Amino acid sequence: KQEVTQIPAALSVPEGENLVLNCSFTDSAIYNLQWFRQDPGKGLTSLLLIQSSQREQTSGRLNASLDKSSGRSTLYIAASQPGDSATYLCAVNDDTSSSASKIIFGSGTRLSIRP
Amino acid sequence: ETGVTQTPRHLVMGMTNKKSLKCEQHLGHNAMYWYKQSAKKPLELMFVYNFKEQTENNSVPSRFSPECPNSSHLFLHLHTLQPEDSALYLCASSQDPRASGGNTIYFGEGSWLTVV
Repeated sequence: KQEVTQIPAALSVPEGENLVLNCSFTDSAIYNLQWFRQDPGKGLTSLLLIQSSQREQTSGRLNASLDKSSGRSTLYIAASQPGDSATYLCAVNDDTSSSASKIIFGSGTRLSIRP
Repeated sequence: ETGVTQTPRHLVMGMTNKKSLKCEQHLGHNAMYWYKQSAKKPLELMFVYNFKEQTENNSVPSRFSPECPNSSHLFLHLHTLQPEDSALYLCASSQDPRASGGNTIYFGEGSWLTVV
């Protein structure tokens, strides 16, 4: 059974710092991996999608990497800003389902950027 | 605006009530999902519909009853709920999830449910 773990559960850094959020998954047979952002009381916004054949994706100050063999992904945020404060969720599209996909989420990392 | 709309945004219901959550997507997607998000727990997949057919039921109690009349609409019918069912219920959609390594999944803003 696929399990997704995110460490740390919470992170607080001063504005301007570069930071890395970690995600690990137990079964490397995945279709893709997505990083999401969730603001308090809101739905999820997709940030980056990495297909299983890709190693990384970039969007602005965000860079996500994927190492399927080791079951790890990282989300790198450059030059952090207070507006980046949110919960960041990692999710894998599990390839083990025989029908529609199953997307398994981690518990998230709650990020706080101090001005 | 993600193209996935959920109503109502907030719902308070008694344990003997019957209510429904509604989700509508305007993205032309074929797959729709219900997720439950409780405090301090990961998102839990509840149901998956692909081309209007239910393809996943993640051991959800029968007091939650999904309905997918077409690829654009998804309902979650609620009856005789328990206080522990209070949570944020998120609807999502995606293009055919089996195509080309899968596609981005889009979420609605969620429906906050409180059972009293």
